[in-house]
Amino acid sequence: LAKTTQPISMDSYEGQEVNITCSHNNIATNDYITWYQQFPSQGPRFIIQGYKTKVTNEVASLFIPADRKSSTLSLPRVSLSDTAVYYCLVGENYQLIWGAGTKLIIKP
Amino acid sequence: GAGVSQSPRYKVAKRGQDVALRCDPISGHVSLFWYQQALGQGPEFLTYFQNEAQLDKSGLPSDRFFAERPEGSVSTLKIQRTQQEDSAVYLCASSFQRPPAYEQYFGPGTRLTVT
Repeated sequence: LAKTTQPISMDSYEGQEVNITCSHNNIATNDYITWYQQFPSQGPRFIIQGYKTKVTNEVASLFIPADRKSSTLSLPRVSLSDTAVYYCLVGENYQLIWGAGTKLIIKP
Repeated sequence: GAGVSQSPRYKVAKRGQDVALRCDPISGHVSLFWYQQALGQGPEFLTYFQNEAQLDKSGLPSDRFFAERPEGSVSTLKIQRTQQEDSAVYLCASSFQRPPAYEQYFGPGTRLTVT
C-alpha cells in the first residue's frame, strides 16, 4: 500500500487559488490518486480522482506529473467554506491508507 | 436524493456494554465500507462488503468487532464488551462501483464514547 505525505496545515485567503501537494513515491502502476474533503462532524466527501496528467471537475483540478510520484490538488478562488481537512489517497483497491490530511484554513 | 445515513449519531456506553451501530447506504450501492476515525486522524479501514458478502474484515481490531449486511443493503457494526480504546467516530461509506476506481459516499458517522 502506497503511503502519502502531505503538509499538516496550510493557510490562505478568500479568493486565492490554493494548491495542496501530496507526495507518493511508492505509487504502483495500477494505483489511482483520490482526494477527499472533510468538515468537522461530517464524513469525508469525494473531491476528485485521477490516474495521470490533469483532471478537472466543477470544484477542483488534479495535476499529476509523468512520474506520478506526486500530485497537486488545486482549488480555484477559495472561500471561507473551503476550510476543511483534505486527504490524499493512493491505491488500486479499497484498502487505502488515510493519513492525517492537510488542515486548510481560509482567512477573510 | 438521500445520502448515507447512520444511527445513532452519538452513543455513550459503559465499559463492557455491547453496542450496535447502523448504516443505511444509498439505495443500489453495491459496496459498503466501515471505518474507525480517532480524533485528529484519518479514517482507518475496518471492513468491506460487496452486496451481502463480507470480502474483507482484516481491519477489525479484535474479535469483539463484528459486522454484517445480511440482505445487501443495511449494515450493522457490533462491538461487544466495549473498551475505552473503542471510543472513536465510526464511519460508513457506500459506492455503486467496485474497486479499483470508485467514489465513496460517507455517512455523518456515529461518535462512540466508552466511559
